[in-house]
Amino acid sequence: DTEVTQTPKHLVMGMTNKKSLKCEQHMGHRAMYWYKQKAKKPPELMFVYSYEKLSINESVPSRFSPECPNSSLLNLHLHALQPEDSALYLCASSLGSRDEGYTFGSGTRLTVV
Amino acid sequence: GNSVTQMEGPVTLSEEAFLTINCTYTATGYPSLFWYVQYPGEGLQLLLKATKADDKGSNKGFEATYRKETTSFHLEKGSVQVSDSAVYFCALSYAGGTSYGKLTFGQGTILTVHP
Repeated sequence: DTEVTQTPKHLVMGMTNKKSLKCEQHMGHRAMYWYKQKAKKPPELMFVYSYEKLSINESVPSRFSPECPNSSLLNLHLHALQPEDSALYLCASSLGSRDEGYTFGSGTRLTVV
Repeated sequence: GNSVTQMEGPVTLSEEAFLTINCTYTATGYPSLFWYVQYPGEGLQLLLKATKADDKGSNKGFEATYRKETTSFHLEKGSVQVSDSAVYFCALSYAGGTSYGKLTFGQGTILTVHP
């Protein structure tokens, strides 16, 4: 298995809703990442997990809450989002070394209404 | 800090034309360099990589050579196809401290190939 699987592919949520994005990989990668990507822009790093521990939080607002239940799963819990949070949310994984690229999922297209 | 600069797009070519997308970087030490491609509505896919000076990465007819003396990693393809239409991102990875191979992306270059 050489894929990162993200669900759902599309999500529409209201500003008072709570929802979660899910990400799964079975490549034995020990680093997992959440990125946010706006249209025609590069991905922006949000969080990094290494060996299931949060190692980097790029000053992300607390309405985004990551969770890593085990080495294969990564969640992003969403609460009280704003319309400007609408974006493509990408999960990625890697071996965590400098020489290895990331494997990205196909993303969740989030719309906040 | 680390940074990547890509040529401004969009780039529009006819099928079978030669493609070059310029990429230069600024980094301390010796980063690894990558090209990612993003097709419409999809995530990013690793296209090719090079991990040390003078390495050439290649895949699907695309090539890029790690040039330390010019701090560049330009993407080339001899004959583009309509199916190559996508956004191309140059990126570097430098592991230091808690970087965990953290990627720094360029701004992306939109490529459109017409029949």
